[in-house]
Amino acid sequence: AQSVTQLGSHVSVSEGALVLLRCNYSSSVPPYLFWYVQYPNQGLQLLLKYTSAATLVKGINGFEAEFKKSETSFHLTKPSAHMSDAAEYFCAVAGGGNKLTFGTGTQLKVEL
Amino acid sequence: NAGVTQTPKFRVLKTGQSMTLLCAQDMNHEYMYWYRQDPGMGLRLIHYSVGEGTTAKGEVPDGYNVSRLKKQNFLLGLESAAPSQTSVYFCASSSTAGRNEQFFGPGTRLTVL
Repeated sequence: AQSVTQLGSHVSVSEGALVLLRCNYSSSVPPYLFWYVQYPNQGLQLLLKYTSAATLVKGINGFEAEFKKSETSFHLTKPSAHMSDAAEYFCAVAGGGNKLTFGTGTQLKVEL
Repeated sequence: NAGVTQTPKFRVLKTGQSMTLLCAQDMNHEYMYWYRQDPGMGLRLIHYSVGEGTTAKGEVPDGYNVSRLKKQNFLLGLESAAPSQTSVYFCASSSTAGRNEQFFGPGTRLTVL
């Protein structure tokens, strides 16, 4: 079975500051991991995914995530936050049959 | 190329009424999914389909039925709506098994009074 824990349901950063959104996973098989972003009143859009190639994964909009097997983590980072990054972010782990198990989400607020 | 589309965008039902949500994808994907999103609970899988004519239960299937008569369409039905089914419903599709990316529709906001 797979599960995902996202620490912090709400994160607030200043514009230009580092963004760090935390995700820890549990998986009975080598995991595929995903980060999705959801802007208000929209569907989910893929930011990046880890599929066992490189442990540091680069995504869209300047985001990246590092897979750390020893820590069972897949934290999402961006060096400098922009107002347009304000959204909800979901971490997900892939299980059998191409099903995804999602975390409960982290709402990112970017302040001037 | 529209991707994944959902109909309707909004709906208000009274308790006990029925309705069908339609999901369509034009990417020739084999897999399709229905999720519900509730505050603080992330997305939970209701039902999914691994191909035309097949469906399977997800994490929260009670009170819902689905059909996949055509490869490009996946229907979600509520036979007798309850207030607990007030939620935002998302459809998604993906190309093959092997844990590929899922593509999401814009969602349907359903309120059951």
